[in-house]
Amino acid sequence: GQNIDQPTEMTATEGAIVQINCTYQTSGFNGLFWYQQHAGEAPTFLSYNVLDGLEEKGRFSSFLSRSKGYSYLLLKELQMKDSASYLCAVMDSNYQLIWGAGTKLIIKP
Amino acid sequence: IAGITQAPTSQILAAGRRMTLRCTQDMRHNAMYWYRQDLGLGLRLIHYSNTAGTTGKGEVPDGYSVSRANTDDFPLTLASAVPSQTSVYFCASSDSGLNTGELFFGEGSRLTVL
Repeated sequence: GQNIDQPTEMTATEGAIVQINCTYQTSGFNGLFWYQQHAGEAPTFLSYNVLDGLEEKGRFSSFLSRSKGYSYLLLKELQMKDSASYLCAVMDSNYQLIWGAGTKLIIKP
Repeated sequence: IAGITQAPTSQILAAGRRMTLRCTQDMRHNAMYWYRQDLGLGLRLIHYSNTAGTTGKGEVPDGYSVSRANTDDFPLTLASAVPSQTSVYFCASSDSGLNTGELFFGEGSRLTVL
């Protein structure tokens, strides 16, 4: 079966750095996505990785290793507004998106 | 800029009743999707449409139906609601299909079936 694993919940301190991991087992691979979802709101797109390596976008970076079935989202200079759930999703060989259950990130002052 | 509009935002429904969740987008995206989101689970695809006039089944289509009469509208109908359909429903759209990556989501419709 297809599976996306990410931690259920993480806690970090304002101003610090946090890394959210995602491992996947899917039928083929056509890209990995990270979305941010604040409580009670819609998910919003953060990043897309299809090749190995690090993609940087401001305070957020996303890394992919296809051989290891692994990705992480790195958030730097954490702000209180970064408190949200972070969803990892993988596009399989049929271009279907398989979603992880999300990681709830709690930022403390 | 509206993006994707869903209605209603919240609804309590008796089991056995028929319900239609509305979704309208103004971005002229070809592809549209309906997902449900339940606590502890990832988003699950119910139905999708790659272009007006076509629809397809997702991962959990049973008990739901959709139509795509035009580019902008993609309603989701529960013919006879059951308590297991209590969930938050998200409509989404993308330009030129899933392989472009980014999905744009509506604000969600919270449905409770009693």
